[in-house]
Amino acid sequence: NAGVTQTPKFQVLKTGQSMTLQCAQDMNHNSMYWYRQDPGMGLRLIYYSASEGTTDKGEVPNGYNVSRLNKREFSLRLESAAPSQTSVYFCASSGGSRGFLTGANVLTFGAGSRLTVL
Amino acid sequence: GENVEQHPSTLSVQEGDSAVIKCTYSDSASNYFPWYKQELGKRPQLIIDIRSNVGEKKDQRIAVTLNKTAKHFSLHITETQPEDSAVYFCAASIGSYQKVTFGTGTKLQVIP
Repeated sequence: NAGVTQTPKFQVLKTGQSMTLQCAQDMNHNSMYWYRQDPGMGLRLIYYSASEGTTDKGEVPNGYNVSRLNKREFSLRLESAAPSQTSVYFCASSGGSRGFLTGANVLTFGAGSRLTVL
Repeated sequence: GENVEQHPSTLSVQEGDSAVIKCTYSDSASNYFPWYKQELGKRPQLIIDIRSNVGEKKDQRIAVTLNKTAKHFSLHITETQPEDSAVYFCAASIGSYQKVTFGTGTKLQVIP
């Protein structure tokens, strides 16, 4: 049981390049999320997918796109990377089949992806 | 949308002392308040959570309190140990399968 797996762990891009961060979970969770973490800013939500087939913007969606490929996979794409997108990106999932009162809200995070845009 | 404020941003305590981290939230509809601990270079992990139908919850040395009227909640760590040193995040969300909004984090340092 791997939990949440995200790739790559490290990536260096030049301004204007594109890339996709991949995320997969094997816990049969309904909801998946992409956060970015910057010093002093905490974890800021980029996009989330409450269930398969739906995606919604979070606090900082500009410059990003997402795809919920299936129930397991949720990818984050940077179409034209900018230095302001240098950050650590975390994918997370939540929401088993047991319902709200039994811990469905608990987020399980991936190990993180450190992205540097030059 | 929801806004979560967290204080202090840094906190240093002597080993064995208590530590308190406070958070406020803006959306009165929020009903789930988790706390995550992130050790250096690691992923955030849930340490305790509380739902709006409960005012206090305790798990060994950690406890959370919730004041719905004032829209604030707090994390209390007693008898701190060096391994408690980490960044702690509070968060708030509404119901199941909804987005979770985090505070900006508190870096706790426990001095041996």
